[in-house]
Amino acid sequence: NAGVTQTPKFQVLKTGQSMTLQCAQDMNHNSMYWYRQDPGMGLRLIYYSASEGTTDKGEVPNGYNVSRLNKREFSLRLESAAPSQTSVYFCASQGSLGTDTQYFGPGTRLTVL
Amino acid sequence: RKEVEQDPGPFNVPEGATVAFNCTYSNSASQSFFWYRQDCRKEPKLLMSVYSSGNEDGRFTAQLNRASQYISLLIRDSKLSDSATYLCVVTPMNTDKLIFGTGTRLQVFP
Repeated sequence: NAGVTQTPKFQVLKTGQSMTLQCAQDMNHNSMYWYRQDPGMGLRLIYYSASEGTTDKGEVPNGYNVSRLNKREFSLRLESAAPSQTSVYFCASQGSLGTDTQYFGPGTRLTVL
Repeated sequence: RKEVEQDPGPFNVPEGATVAFNCTYSNSASQSFFWYRQDCRKEPKLLMSVYSSGNEDGRFTAQLNRASQYISLLIRDSKLSDSATYLCVVTPMNTDKLIFGTGTRLQVFP
């Protein structure tokens, strides 16, 4: 039982390049989330998926797209990376609404030059 | 005003000390409250949930004051291993989205 896994762990991009961050969970959770974490800003929600086949914008969705490929996998895509997207990205999953905790992946450290 | 506010610290305390963190939230309709712990360059992990009646887990005690809209975390007999950033987290009503504070950094020294 690996919990939440993310790939890659580190990535360096040039401005304008695209990439997809992968996330998978093996806990049979319904909800999945993508956050970014920047110094002094805390964790901010980019997109989330309450169930397979649905996605919704969070607080900071501009410049990102997501795909809930199946119940296990939720990917985040940067179509044209910008230096402002340099951050640490965390994926998380949650079993049920309200009281259940969110479990986080180990994070992806992205630098955009 | 931020939805969840915390003192960023750092709080530097000696081993064995008692330390307390507070957190305030702006949405009075918030329904669930948590403290998460985040070690340097690691992912956040749930430390404990916060209930209206208070919650104690070993050396850790969490309290909720709905009237004043604040949450507290008390750590007794601090250990070196308690050094981390503590994130206050709030869930608005009828949603499974979490709102994170920016965290309070704790450094316990020998």
